[in-house]
Amino acid sequence: DGGITQSPKYLFRKEGQNVTLSCEQNLNHDAMYWYRQDPGQGLRLIYYSQIVNDFQKGDIAEGYSVSREKKESFPLTVTSAQKNPTAFYLCASADLAIGTDTQYFGPGTRLTVL
Amino acid sequence: GESVGLHLPTLSVQEGDNSIINCAYSNSASDYFIWYKQESGKGPQFIIDIRSNMDKRQGQRVTVLLNKTVKHLSLQIAATQPGDSAVYFCAENTGGYNKLIFGAGTRLAVHP
Repeated sequence: DGGITQSPKYLFRKEGQNVTLSCEQNLNHDAMYWYRQDPGQGLRLIYYSQIVNDFQKGDIAEGYSVSREKKESFPLTVTSAQKNPTAFYLCASADLAIGTDTQYFGPGTRLTVL
Repeated sequence: GESVGLHLPTLSVQEGDNSIINCAYSNSASDYFIWYKQESGKGPQFIIDIRSNMDKRQGQRVTVLLNKTVKHLSLQIAATQPGDSAVYFCAENTGGYNKLIFGAGTRLAVHP
């Protein structure tokens, strides 16, 4: 059963804590992405990675960190430096090898800061 | 479920009617466009895409129209069904590293 999985579905964090959101894909896609979604707004790019052990900042990278140690995994850490972390976080992947730009999304993780 | 668009523009249609959702994109150099459907509390789902060398593309019950002159994209859904109720996003690729820029979205509400 191929696809993109994110865990957990819901996550609660106390102020000052770091939390890590998981994203796994078994589609053999090269590229992976993290987006943040707030009500009434489109998706905003946090980080992206085109290849293992390499990643680039997106438009709103401050307060976040990522790693890409394996092709199938791209975890996102929301650090205490992120001032307003409550949001819906979406992970996506894309197969750069086939020449299309289509990104496929996981089911999302809703993070709430208490 | 969670609401992903509390203050989005809403298009209300009757079941069985055709729906047209519009999107104005920002970059005249964008060469690839995608429509996504997002149901409450879920991730966006790919619907249809179009490249800038085309002005129309059809899928199953959906058609995307691209007008590069006015930087406008539309999604037409034929015979709209209750299951089509969702938020619809357009996205454009402005070039390089498969980076997509997303619109804010339009909520489609289908009434029986």
